[in-house]
Amino acid sequence: KAGVTQTPRYLIKTRGQQVTLSCSPISGHRSVSWYQQTPGQGLQFLFEYFSETQRNKGNFPGRFSGRQFSNSRSEMNVSTLELGDSALYLCASSSDSMGNEQFFGPGTRLTVL
Amino acid sequence: GENVEQHPSTLSVQEGDSAVIKCTYSDSASNYFPWYKQELGKRPQLIIDIRSNVGEKKDQRIAVTLNKTAKHFSLHITETQPEDSAVYFCAASRKDTGRRALTFGSGTRLQVQP
Repeated sequence: KAGVTQTPRYLIKTRGQQVTLSCSPISGHRSVSWYQQTPGQGLQFLFEYFSETQRNKGNFPGRFSGRQFSNSRSEMNVSTLELGDSALYLCASSSDSMGNEQFFGPGTRLTVL
Repeated sequence: GENVEQHPSTLSVQEGDSAVIKCTYSDSASNYFPWYKQELGKRPQLIIDIRSNVGEKKDQRIAVTLNKTAKHFSLHITETQPEDSAVYFCAASRKDTGRRALTFGSGTRLQVQP
């Protein structure tokens, strides 16, 4: 099976802009979670989608949003970008059984200037 | 919410020695504790996990122990090899999140000296 893929891999934006990141899970996986990784804050949970519904949400402002499509692909959107949003955004997919391993994608490196 | 503390932040050992990384968590409802390894420039990969109904789990050179009373869990790597050099993250999550909403520790950079 192909692994989790994320596009684009690198992105440069300026403050105030918005950005959309995409994640394609492993075939058959219905759960997609998003994480933000920064040197200062580490790995932080953003949200999780399962069967097109947001099932869990972390402590991020409303500028961070996501959605999941019927084919389980997921997108996350960040509006009104701030310098502090510069990070590696990782998505992870897992099957619909509780507690199964989350497989991470390679991440999208977002730089906000 | 959950808070996971991880120590040490850096660890240097000689090849063949053992390495131990410790984590504590705050939410008594957490019941799933995975460990991830992240090599430089690569994605995190699960190396072992443990659930709250188990006190210890072993997989070849890697073992994890869990003390629910004290709310801490540890990763033990024996006979370390240079390829074990990476950043290791512990994490915790609750059953009511489907064990998906992981709260991560701050990471331990392990360096194995040949």
